[in-house]
Amino acid sequence: DIQMTQSPSTLSASVGDRVTITCRASQNVITWVAWYQQKPGKAPKLLIYKTSNLQTGVPSRFSGSGSGTEFTLTISSLQPEDFATYYCQQTWTFGQGTKVEIK
Amino acid sequence: QVQLEESGGGLVKPGGSLKLSCAASGFTFRDYFMNWIRQAPGKGLEWVSYISSTGSLRDYADSVKGRFSISRDNAKNSLYLQMNSLRVEDTAVYYCVRDMGGDNFDFWGQGTLVTVSS
Repeated sequence: DIQMTQSPSTLSASVGDRVTITCRASQNVITWVAWYQQKPGKAPKLLIYKTSNLQTGVPSRFSGSGSGTEFTLTISSLQPEDFATYYCQQTWTFGQGTKVEIK
Repeated sequence: QVQLEESGGGLVKPGGSLKLSCAASGFTFRDYFMNWIRQAPGKGLEWVSYISSTGSLRDYADSVKGRFSISRDNAKNSLYLQMNSLRVEDTAVYYCVRDMGGDNFDFWGQGTLVTVSS
């Protein structure tokens, strides 16, 4: 099974910062990666599907890219509502999560 | 609008059984693959099981294979998870999740908490 490793595990940033989260696969991903945002006590929310497609209703400051074994989620200008935990996912495997905290 | 509402969670002793249900509305349930995904307290997400739109295909995480069984009733717009031989490590919030296609999970229920403890 493919393992998905996210980095960093925790990220401290300020409003307005550009933030990048990386997800590395243990072997080549021949399909795609999705990204989810989860806030405390809430269900995860799909942000990016099929590696780079923005889910309906998700702000355009979120973007996804990558191929092979390295994938990234970028938030171009961090907003107060973006402080949350982010997960990458490939088929049945999730990354361990990246918590984005206020600096 | 799409809604997924789980029920059936609760406290159960190790070795016990529980059946989760998920009531779907706001979309054509029979057209979609469905999943159960869980999250242990303070931990990350773990995929548990999927079932195809007709119910003919199913798969399970190794951690639950042989103990859990997924099913659906398209006439009732409902998804189920029968959990047997429960272990302490099965304690988690269980989410009912729609697959929009290609293993991309676009709608999640609010989750139901299963606690396995003596």
